[in-house]
Amino acid sequence: EPEVTQTPSHQVTQMGQEVILRCVPISNHLYFYWYRQILGQKVEFLVSFYNNEISEKSEIFDDQFSVERPDGSNFTLKIRSTKLEDSAMYFCASSGQGISNQPQHFGDGTRLSIL
Amino acid sequence: AQSVTQPDIHITVSEGASLELRCNYSYGATPYLFWYVQSPGQGLQLLLKYFSGDTLVQGIKGFEAEFKRSQSSFNLRKPSVHWSDAAEYFCAVGSNSGYALNFGKGTSLLVTP
Repeated sequence: EPEVTQTPSHQVTQMGQEVILRCVPISNHLYFYWYRQILGQKVEFLVSFYNNEISEKSEIFDDQFSVERPDGSNFTLKIRSTKLEDSAMYFCASSGQGISNQPQHFGDGTRLSIL
Repeated sequence: AQSVTQPDIHITVSEGASLELRCNYSYGATPYLFWYVQSPGQGLQLLLKYFSGDTLVQGIKGFEAEFKRSQSSFNLRKPSVHWSDAAEYFCAVGSNSGYALNFGKGTSLLVTP
């Protein structure tokens, strides 16, 4: 069964540094998402991306965050200047169509630790 | 605004016993409802989904869930739990006016011998 793959599985970064989290969505999917889960808390939506632009974003997704689909297979989340509170598990997801038709399939996540 | 409540933070059941995990949602129109499972160190795996139609939906691993509009609930059930079912279970709601899934806080399931 096709999977969403995320790299790296664990990223340790100094506060203030830039970090890029990478995702390879399922190949024929058109909608891409990032979520995060702070330890002990619920999974929170960050952003959705379709047709090379952001289709929806949450309040969490401020100017420090950006997303990009640099080629036909990768989908990245960049945090420009990391803060301690950015420490979390970041999940990438993809779906073939919008939410009303197909569910979102998630990767195994990248655990981001900010020191 | 949409919201999802999972009233039980932890549930312990004996292997072979039946299971019901509760989920209540708040949303004005018909929601799109999902259950995901997260094993330790793993991502979120989709168990089942409800978009429309039959209110009893079947999922993977022997799970089912029933959408009850009158109770704003979408409880997850399994007739006989296996030790491998121990995991964190998340209920989520979406709508056709957006892209985001709104997750509950999760229920941690422990299965005892």
